[in-house]
Amino acid sequence: AQSVTQLDSQVPVFEEAPVELRCNYSSSVSVYLFWYVQYPNQGLQLLLKYLSGSTLVKGINGFEAEFNKSQTSFHLRKPSVHISDTAEYFCAVSDLSGTYKYIFGTGTRLKVLA
Amino acid sequence: DVKVTQSSRYLVKRTGEKVFLECVQDMDHENMFWYRQDPGLGLRLIYFSYDVKMKEKGDIPEGYSVSREKKERFSLILESASTNQTSMYLCASSSRNQPQHFGDGTRLSIL
Repeated sequence: AQSVTQLDSQVPVFEEAPVELRCNYSSSVSVYLFWYVQYPNQGLQLLLKYLSGSTLVKGINGFEAEFNKSQTSFHLRKPSVHISDTAEYFCAVSDLSGTYKYIFGTGTRLKVLA
Repeated sequence: DVKVTQSSRYLVKRTGEKVFLECVQDMDHENMFWYRQDPGLGLRLIYFSYDVKMKEKGDIPEGYSVSREKKERFSLILESASTNQTSMYLCASSSRNQPQHFGDGTRLSIL
């Protein structure tokens, strides 16, 4: 069975500072990995995805993530955050079995402070 | 752009009522999903569907059913609503192993 752990439920950070949101997963098979962002009162929007190839993945809004197979991690980073990045971020994993189901982490609430 | 439309943003119902949540996607996606989102629990899969008239239980199907009569439409049904079904409900669709696209959600309150 797969699982996803987002250890930080809330991350406060000052504007223009760098941020890292952590995601660790557990799976006995190869996986696809995703980060989604949810702004207040909205659905989830895809930030970036890792399907194969380069382990450094660049997404929208200046975010990037690095797939580390040995540490089973897929941490999300941004070198300089803006107030508008305040949102909830979800990591998700999907196996390659063809079910197309995702397992989501419990989310990390990023609060950018002025 | 993929568009996933959920029929209501906010809905208030009473306990015991039969509740229908509708979801429509415009990209001819094979896969559709219903999740509920609760604080601290993330998103949990209720039901999903690979094709018309096909459905599979997710992690928390109790108290829910679904219907997929047409490829673009996936309905979630609360057979007899209870207060513990008060939640945010999110619909998503995808094509094969491509990323899931989400609707804006329905915030459902059961009184």
